[in-house]
Amino acid sequence: DQQVKQNSPSLSVQEGRISILNCDYTNSMFDYFLWYKKYPAEGPTFLISISSIKDKNEDGRFTVFLNKSAKHLSLHIVPSQPGDSAVYFCAASSDLAGGTSYGKLTFGQGTILTVHP
Amino acid sequence: DAGITQSPRHKVTETGTPVTLRCHQTENHRYMYWYRQDPGHGLRLIHYSYGVKDTDKGEVSDGYSVSRSKTEDFLLTLESATSSQTSVYFCAISPRFNQPQHFGDGTRLSIL
Repeated sequence: DQQVKQNSPSLSVQEGRISILNCDYTNSMFDYFLWYKKYPAEGPTFLISISSIKDKNEDGRFTVFLNKSAKHLSLHIVPSQPGDSAVYFCAASSDLAGGTSYGKLTFGQGTILTVHP
Repeated sequence: DAGITQSPRHKVTETGTPVTLRCHQTENHRYMYWYRQDPGHGLRLIHYSYGVKDTDKGEVSDGYSVSRSKTEDFLLTLESATSSQTSVYFCAISPRFNQPQHFGDGTRLSIL
């Protein structure tokens, strides 16, 4: 049973427009959420995170929104650039409460973002 | 970039042979993780370590073992490789359990 799901395998966006990537989760114990970007032949790179005590976190062009009641998070990229073309993974863990899951991450399947010039 | 080196970067081997992948870090981080990436599954946790000689199983640990005899090295061993273990393997490190993990560039393993 996939506890973190990214239901859109791919997304195509024009340069300068907004990219919105979505992620749903089922485990109500998750309290820390992250987005990673991955280029071919490289490891995932950390982008932005959010804890369950917040509903929004911004870092430059990247904003993550968390809707706990819907168990849904989204990543907004504004404005989108061709260099943003990559696979984006959302991930979740249940450690902020000081539990013993040791930072173990559960990942979604990934969404391929293509930004056209 | 976080100082993480995975070796080898590519390996082709035969079914039934033992394989060891190495993750080396220069950050002195306590936490280390092994994931595998497969189409349609994202990344899945194999094993993790929360200190020297402290390891535990992840979501897909069957057929894998790990060892961590010093802070900087985390080894992943396939005792008898099977074709289902063909995958891309990523190591990650983190200074604390509630901070983002940083990943190495992966090992592409093909088992024929």
